[in-house]
Amino acid sequence: DGGITQSPKYLFRKEGQNVTLSCEQNLNHDAMYWYRQDPGQGLRLIYYSQIVNDFQKGDIAEGYSVSREKKESFPLTVTSAQKNPTAFYLCATGQRVDTGELFFGEGSRLTVL
Amino acid sequence: KNQVEQSPQSLIILEGKNCTLQCNYTVSPFSNLRWYKQDTGRGPVSLTIMTFSENTKSNGRYTATLDADTKQSSLHITASQLSDSASYICVVSGTGKLIFGQGTTLQVKP
Repeated sequence: DGGITQSPKYLFRKEGQNVTLSCEQNLNHDAMYWYRQDPGQGLRLIYYSQIVNDFQKGDIAEGYSVSREKKESFPLTVTSAQKNPTAFYLCATGQRVDTGELFFGEGSRLTVL
Repeated sequence: KNQVEQSPQSLIILEGKNCTLQCNYTVSPFSNLRWYKQDTGRGPVSLTIMTFSENTKSNGRYTATLDADTKQSSLHITASQLSDSASYICVVSGTGKLIFGQGTTLQVKP
């Protein structure tokens, strides 16, 4: 079954804990992205990667970290340095950065208790 | 500043009625504009893409228009169905960067 798999779907975290959100794809896309979605706001780019072993900061990278060791995987770690981590996180893939065509996962909702 | 503004913020219509969602942008240079549909708690799914030379494009009951001169796009939904209840997001691509609108939340009532 082709697509993008994000896990977990729901995650609860205590303040001060790091958490890692998983994103796996079998679409053979080079580019992968992490977005954050908050109510009433447009999606905001956290990090993106156009190729294995390389990634770039997006608009709101502070408090987050990523890795791209395999083409299929782009995990996102929400660190304790992120001041307001409660949000809906979306992973996306694309074949080219400039076409604007993104394929999204089902999202992970993180709640900090 | 590159921006994408959508209106209205939210909309409630009766099943079977038509509606139009608006997207105004100031992104320059312009590459293309996409409309996405996002069901609650799910990831967005692409509905249609508009390039500079295209004025109208349809996808079933969804029709998107683009006026590159005024930098405006609209998404018209015909004969709405309950399954159309979702958020609709306008995304403009320019110089390798994507600018997202805040979305319009549509609720279709029986």
